[in-house]
Amino acid sequence: DGGITQSPKYLFRKEGQNVTLSCEQNLNHDAMYWYRQDPGQGLRLIYYSQIVNDFQKGDIAEGYSVSREKKESFPLTVTSAQKNPTAFYLCAGSGTGGHQPQHFGDGTRLSIL
Amino acid sequence: GESVGLHLPTLSVQEGDNSIINCAYSNSASDYFIWYKQESGKGPQFIIDIRSNMDKRQGQRVTVLLNKTVKHLSLQIAATQPGDSAVYFCAENSGGSNYKLTFGKGTLLTVNP
Repeated sequence: DGGITQSPKYLFRKEGQNVTLSCEQNLNHDAMYWYRQDPGQGLRLIYYSQIVNDFQKGDIAEGYSVSREKKESFPLTVTSAQKNPTAFYLCAGSGTGGHQPQHFGDGTRLSIL
Repeated sequence: GESVGLHLPTLSVQEGDNSIINCAYSNSASDYFIWYKQESGKGPQFIIDIRSNMDKRQGQRVTVLLNKTVKHLSLQIAATQPGDSAVYFCAENSGGSNYKLTFGKGTLLTVNP
């Protein structure tokens, strides 16, 4: 199947641990994004990448890190510096060059043990 | 399932009725708008988009209306079906960005059979 694939669906973290969320796409999207979704709030942008080996901070990048070594992959690491990591994390991709919609994966739910 | 929105505005309709979901956007420089549908436990699904040089755009059973004067966007769903039950939210390209979107908090649509 084509699309944005996020794994795992559910993830648990102990205090002080870093965890990495996977996002893979086979849509040939140049741009990829990570969002955080909390109850009652709109999606908030963590990081985005317009092209391989380049990425920019979004609105809430503190406590998170990303890499973009391959076009197909954009993993997100939630570090121990993120004090409130419990949330639903969404990865998206889009084409570039003008206005194009972002297409989302089905998310990873991260919880603290 | 995943709860993606607590204390959201809600709209309850009968099956077969038409639904209208409204959104006020914030940035007068935004020139691209998207409507998404999000079912419980899943990622947002693209429904329809519109550029600011248009006032109306139609898709299959859906119509988006854009009023730039009052910065208002609406999504009309014709002959609403139980499968349309979900959270709907709008997004604007933040001040004209090709990458950054600002998302609304969403409206919960419930379709009663």
